[in-house]
Amino acid sequence: GAVVSQHPSWVICKSGTSVKIECRSLDFQATTMFWYRQFPKQSLMLMATSNEGSKATYEQGVEKDKFLINHASLTLSTLTVTSAHPEDSSFYICSARDPQLETQYFGPGTRLLVL
Amino acid sequence: GENVEQHPSTLSVQEGDSAVIKCTYSDSASNYFPWYKQELGKRPQLIIDIRSNVGEKKDQRIAVTLNKTAKHFSLHITETQPEDSAVYFCACGSNYKLTFGKGTLLTVNP
Repeated sequence: GAVVSQHPSWVICKSGTSVKIECRSLDFQATTMFWYRQFPKQSLMLMATSNEGSKATYEQGVEKDKFLINHASLTLSTLTVTSAHPEDSSFYICSARDPQLETQYFGPGTRLLVL
Repeated sequence: GENVEQHPSTLSVQEGDSAVIKCTYSDSASNYFPWYKQELGKRPQLIIDIRSNVGEKKDQRIAVTLNKTAKHFSLHITETQPEDSAVYFCACGSNYKLTFGKGTLLTVNP
């Protein structure tokens, strides 16, 4: 299957700082990428849909000013958690949609711990 | 929006037995139904998917069936092996947006 990378794989930060997570599609161009959040032993919750060259579409209850998404190229989307707090600690996973296969492939995830 | 129910939440089988996981969905517009396998601390991996114009799809030991009228789809794993142990998620969607089930923890006992 297609390859999607995510960086960093894990990060520990102090409360109040901002954290940027990158998601890259390595062998295909992804006009659409998705950002999910997953708590321990729970399912994946879609946070937002990232569209190349346009504003992201956020799911209900997700603060767009707190979770900034930028999809500047066909292979890169970034999620910035602004002014992170302990309750933002979670596993963040991106996925990229391969337009030829019409299938989503997931990145390896970023584990965020806010102290 | 779409609502996906997945059952059972946990499933324990003996090696060599079959495992079946079922999902129901609410939005009749959904036309894409993938299944993902997630091992602890790792990314979800697509294992099989089916689209609404097909009723069944098989890939070696894994098969998926879809009943659009009843709005349910199922994952079937035959001849289970210990390495099949993981959390399995069903998902469904349209226009490329997926809604996930809550997952099934499958344990295959040697």
